[in-house]
Amino acid sequence: QITLKESGPTLLKPTQTLTLTCTFSGFSLNTDRVGVGWIRQPPGKALEWLALIYWDDDKRYSPSLQGRLTITKDTSKNQVVLTMTYMDSVDTATYYCARDTYDMLTGFPRYYFDYWGQGTLVTVSS
Amino acid sequence: QSALTQPRSVSGSPGQSVTISCTGTSSDVGTYDYVSWYQQSPGKVPKLIIYDVSKRPSGVSDRFSGSKSGNTASLTISGLQAEDEVDYYCCSFAGRYTSLVFGGGTKLTVL
Repeated sequence: QITLKESGPTLLKPTQTLTLTCTFSGFSLNTDRVGVGWIRQPPGKALEWLALIYWDDDKRYSPSLQGRLTITKDTSKNQVVLTMTYMDSVDTATYYCARDTYDMLTGFPRYYFDYWGQGTLVTVSS
Repeated sequence: QSALTQPRSVSGSPGQSVTISCTGTSSDVGTYDYVSWYQQSPGKVPKLIIYDVSKRPSGVSDRFSGSKSGNTASLTISGLQAEDEVDYYCCSFAGRYTSLVFGGGTKLTVL
């Protein structure tokens, strides 16, 4: 059974750094050709892709947020960590982590998310 | 990279078919067949319903189908049911640097 779960602070002040952890089970970033990504959704608004990290440590970032984002993995703990610096009220959103997989024939990512975490609401307010 | 363009809302009567468009550019939808669609009920987690433009994950109803023409991808829902009245988002690969871009979302109303 594949599961993902986000954890981290629910409330931050402006300019603080957000650190979110995605803990997953049912697959491995060490032995499986998969990736884990982060997507966020402000209240009442659309989904926005943030970052991805793959089994081979290939990292991708949203160009609009690249300077503020860092994504890392800890394969021993089955975790992926996202940090976002200089948080602002516009960053208030539900943050999801989700799994991407690889096409074994082409050797390329599939670029879709088949399993998602439940999401965690992060509020930025002074 | 701008978000993909979706209509804010679409509607249809029970039993009818509706199509939701997702317009991108030659840098994303027009070049790559990595278009996916997600269904999201209020307060719930997005659910993958279409990937690789037109493929359905196991367990997804065959009432959902996807296609692409040029820079525009489309999601068609046939035999509309009340339970289809939720939000739908498209997503496309946009190259090695940008990677992924979502659409603005479409709210489907079943009349």
